[in-house]
Amino acid sequence: AQSVTQPDIHITVSEGASLELRCNYSYGATPYLFWYVQSPGQGLQLLLKYFSGDTLVQGIKGFEAEFKRSQSSFNLRKPSVHWSDAAEYFCAVGPTSGTYKYIFGTGTRLKVLA
Amino acid sequence: ETGVTQTPRHLVMGMTNKKSLKCEQHLGHNAMYWYKQSAKKPLELMFVYNFKEQTENNSVPSRFSPECPNSSHLFLHLHTLQPEDSALYLCASSQQRDTGELFFGEGSRLTVL
Repeated sequence: AQSVTQPDIHITVSEGASLELRCNYSYGATPYLFWYVQSPGQGLQLLLKYFSGDTLVQGIKGFEAEFKRSQSSFNLRKPSVHWSDAAEYFCAVGPTSGTYKYIFGTGTRLKVLA
Repeated sequence: ETGVTQTPRHLVMGMTNKKSLKCEQHLGHNAMYWYKQSAKKPLELMFVYNFKEQTENNSVPSRFSPECPNSSHLFLHLHTLQPEDSALYLCASSQQRDTGELFFGEGSRLTVL
């Protein structure tokens, strides 16, 4: 069965430091992978997505993610974090063919220290 | 402006009340979704509609009743809810099944007293 694991529930980084949020997935075929961000009291906003091709994908707000098939991972990175990046981040796997069931991880809450 | 609008943003209701959540998407998408987001739990898919037809019902209790009159509008009718139903209810839409990303509204925060 499909699953998504985000091992880190909370992460704290200093402003200007680099960031990596981990995501591991379980999927029988080539997955469609997504990262979303959710600010308090808001809905989820798409940061980036991977469907095929180049395994390093660029997203909005200076984020990027790398798909590593051998490790079943899709980690999110940012070279220099800004205070406004404090939010909750969700990794997701797209639905298997013929369904609409996107699978979301439990999220990683990012805190940024000034 | 996210393209997906949810109303109301906040709702407080008693266990015997009947209320409805509304979602409207302005993106021309074909599929619409209801998700439930509770603290410390993954997003739970509740219902999916594609071209107004319900395609997924994720074992949701009958006290939640969805309605999709057209591809742009989605409702979630609520009646005799329980306190554990208090959560953020998120509406989303997508253009294509399988590969399309989800576009979310800002959510309706529901509190059941």
